[in-house]
Amino acid sequence: KAGVTQTPRYLIKTRGQQVTLSCSPISGHRSVSWYQQTPGQGLQFLFEYFSETQRNKGNFPGRFSGRQFSNSRSEMNVSTLELGDSALYLCASSLTSGGNEQFFGPGTRLTVL
Amino acid sequence: AQSVTQPDIHITVSEGASLELRCNYSYGATPYLFWYVQSPGQGLQLLLKYFSGDTLVQGIKGFEAEFKRSQSSFNLRKPSVHWSDAAEYFCAVVGERGATNKLIFGTGTLLAVQP
Repeated sequence: KAGVTQTPRYLIKTRGQQVTLSCSPISGHRSVSWYQQTPGQGLQFLFEYFSETQRNKGNFPGRFSGRQFSNSRSEMNVSTLELGDSALYLCASSLTSGGNEQFFGPGTRLTVL
Repeated sequence: AQSVTQPDIHITVSEGASLELRCNYSYGATPYLFWYVQSPGQGLQLLLKYFSGDTLVQGIKGFEAEFKRSQSSFNLRKPSVHWSDAAEYFCAVVGERGATNKLIFGTGTLLAVQP
C-alpha cells in the first residue's frame, strides 16, 4: 500500500508570492491534517479535513487555507508569503477523524526568499 | 489547555545502552498518546500509541512506552540502542479526544548514539 505522498518536495518562493502544496493520503483514508514544522516553533497544527469538510483549524492567519477533494486528496495554500513561512509542511492521513493514528508524508520544504 | 513537555532537548547514549525519553502531558481526561520518530529530512514515523487498556505498549523497532496516569507521563524506552536509532523523537497528544485528529506535539528530543 502506498504511503502519503506530498508534492512538490522542495519549493523556493519570494516574499509576496503564493504557493499551493498537495497531499495524497493513503488509499481509503478520509482524514488529512496539515502541520508546519520550524526550528523555532516546532510542530504546529494547521488544519484537518475530513470528507471535504474542515474539522479543525490551528492558530494561523487567514493567509493559510486548505481544501479537500472528493478523492480525499488535499491542498493547502499560503498567500502573500512571508519570510517566516519558510518551514517543512507535513501532511498526515488517517482512516477517520477523532483521534486515530496518523501517517505522515515526507513533507514539502518551503523556502521563502 | 492540553500540552506536552519533553524535558530533554538532547540526549547522547552509547550504542547498546538502554534509553529512556521522557514525556509529560497535560490533559483533563484519559489522553490518546503517541510517539513519533523523525530522521533528518524525513517525515514522522509512528513508533507506538496509547488509547486505553494495558499501560505498557509495545511499538516498532523494539521500543515500548508506559502510560502513568498518576505522573501524567508517557516515557519511551528501549533496552539496547542501535546506531540507526539516532533521530529526533516527538511525543504527542490528541488535542480533543474523539473530536478531531489534531495532534499537540512536544518540542522533541534529539538522540545521538555514540559508537
